[in-house]
Amino acid sequence: KNEVEQSPQNLTAQEGEFITINCSYSVGISALHWLQQHPGGGIVSLFMLSSGKKKHGRLIATINIQEKHSSLHITASHPRDSAVYICAVFRNTGNQFYFGTGTSLTVIP
Amino acid sequence: NAGVMQNPRHLVRRRGQEARLRCSPMKGHSHVYWYRQLPEEGLKFMVYLQKENIIDESGMPKERFSAEFPKEGPSILRIQQVVRGDSAAYFCASSPGRVEKLFFGSGTQLSVL
Repeated sequence: KNEVEQSPQNLTAQEGEFITINCSYSVGISALHWLQQHPGGGIVSLFMLSSGKKKHGRLIATINIQEKHSSLHITASHPRDSAVYICAVFRNTGNQFYFGTGTSLTVIP
Repeated sequence: NAGVMQNPRHLVRRRGQEARLRCSPMKGHSHVYWYRQLPEEGLKFMVYLQKENIIDESGMPKERFSAEFPKEGPSILRIQQVVRGDSAAYFCASSPGRVEKLFFGSGTQLSVL
């Protein structure tokens, strides 16, 4: 069993739709990261969360520490949002990151 | 302020050769992480280093793989006697502290012939 589970694995949306990607984890964490990987392979860190909610432009990330769950929301989705979104947790014991397998998002014009 | 620089971008090696991958963290960042991404798979943690110290190498194979982050110069991931199964994208990331935002390099695509 993976320490980090993401859903859905694949997601296709029409431009303008509201999108939610979910991440559940089974270990105690110090922080959770949402990453974006574009088809060219480059990885960008979108958010780092340890509690509550963060917003950046059309992106919103929330985390519920008690339920060990985080969500990434994209409002008014656009084709340029098409990418793989990866949830990663930094464990509070030890120094490892654990990664979800990613959610592949395709936004159709 | 340049981002995290990885080189080479692509590296081709024959079986049995050595591969050396370099990662220069962002200025002011003393924490470096190496990750591997196999084809059609997710990212896997390999090793976490601070300047001159290996903090956690539990994700790195014990044989043939080593990493360093010297006082001066880039972090190096070294793979000796490469095999076809080592073919993957290797990413490094840096951060200013242990639990802080990560900044990723563009990765090195290693192909073993």
